[in-house]
This record gives sequence, structure tokens and C-alpha cells, in this order.
Amino acid sequence: GENVEQHPSTLSVQEGDSAVIKCTYSDSASNYFPWYKQELGKRPQLIIDIRSNVGEKKDQRIAVTLNKTAKHFSLHITETQPEDSAVYFCAANLMIKAAGNKLTFGGGTRVLVKP
Amino acid sequence: DGGITQSPKYLFRKEGQNVTLSCEQNLNHDAMYWYRQDPGQGLRLIYYSQIVNDFQKGDIAEGYSVSREKKESFPLTVTSAQKNPTAFYLCASSRRHTAADTEAFFGQGTRLTVV
Repeated sequence: GENVEQHPSTLSVQEGDSAVIKCTYSDSASNYFPWYKQELGKRPQLIIDIRSNVGEKKDQRIAVTLNKTAKHFSLHITETQPEDSAVYFCAANLMIKAAGNKLTFGGGTRVLVKP
Repeated sequence: DGGITQSPKYLFRKEGQNVTLSCEQNLNHDAMYWYRQDPGQGLRLIYYSQIVNDFQKGDIAEGYSVSREKKESFPLTVTSAQKNPTAFYLCASSRRHTAADTEAFFGQGTRLTVV
């Protein structure tokens, strides 16, 4: 089955600096890669996603890149702000013919933005 | 807030007892998922269901059981066979099982403590 590795597990940055989180996946058939943000005590929420036929996607201060050949994708947050402090999860979706979508998550990255 | 409800928020049980966690959604979503969240281990898939009366084992299904008798409901039973049941459990749903790129919406979670 699919295996998703996420690094680093914790990331501390100064406000205004950039943060980068990297994920690798094992199954080349995975075709959709969402990123979720989980603030303390809250449920995970989708912040950005990318399909396998796209190399890069941007939404204001966040961007995601995908390298299908190397089977890795990354989240980039620019001009970080204290409200960016949270746990971020990457995920890979594998569509299995008989069973449907199987969404596998990475281990999470705890990001702390220091003012 | 989200349309997917988990209850209760906190649950305490004695060792050896089965316990059922509730998950209900009014989003008309086809697919539903159960994840377990442990510190530093991300979200691990327990079971998932793409349509009523069908469900698939995830990566850590041992000691758990589910049912999907109604589209809106996907209860999870933690049985006495689960060796380490104390954890935070998250239920999620997504709109279509035939498309890979559909956002997963999460419930607020149930924190289960077995004493």
C-alpha cells in the first residue's frame, strides 16, 4: 500500500521567514496530494492541494510543488506569520478500483512561528 | 460548523470493554473515513467506506470494526482486541468516491481514554 513520509517533524521559524515541508510517497499510482493544517484543539482543514498532472500550485503565501518522477511534494509558506503556527499534514490519495479512494497521511510537521 | 459530527468529544472506558464512537454527516458525502491520531504519528487510516453497505480495512484495522448501514453514518467500534486503544479518533467524509481530488472534511474528534 501507500506510504507517506514527512519531514521535518518540527520546524521553528522567525516571523517573516519561509517554511518548507517535504513529503515523499511510495505508490506511483497516487494521483492527488492535499495538505491539511490542524490548529491546536481543532480539526484538520484543507489549505491547498495538487493533482498529479500539475507541477506547482500557488495560493497567496502558500505553494505546493510536485515531482512525480522522484515521488515527492513540498509545501512552501512565505512571509510566515504567528497564525501559521500549527501542525501540517501532507497526504497522498490512491484510487483503488474496487475500494475507492484511500487517503494516506504523513506523520505531520509542527510549525512554530516566533514573533 | 463542518456538517460532520462526532460524539462524544471525550470518552472513558474500562479495559476489556467495547466502545462505539459515533460519526454523522449531513453533507451528502459518499465516502467516509476513520483515522487514529497519536502524538508524532500523524493520521493513520483505520477503515474507509465509499458507499453504503461497503467498507475496506485501512492500515491499522485490527481490533476495530465499522458498519455503513446509512449514507450519513459510519460508527466505529473499538473492541477489547485493540491492544492500545487510548488515542484521538477522527472521522472524515468526502464528496465523491469516483474522483480522486475531493476534499476530506473532518469531525472535531473523539478522545478515547481506556483505564
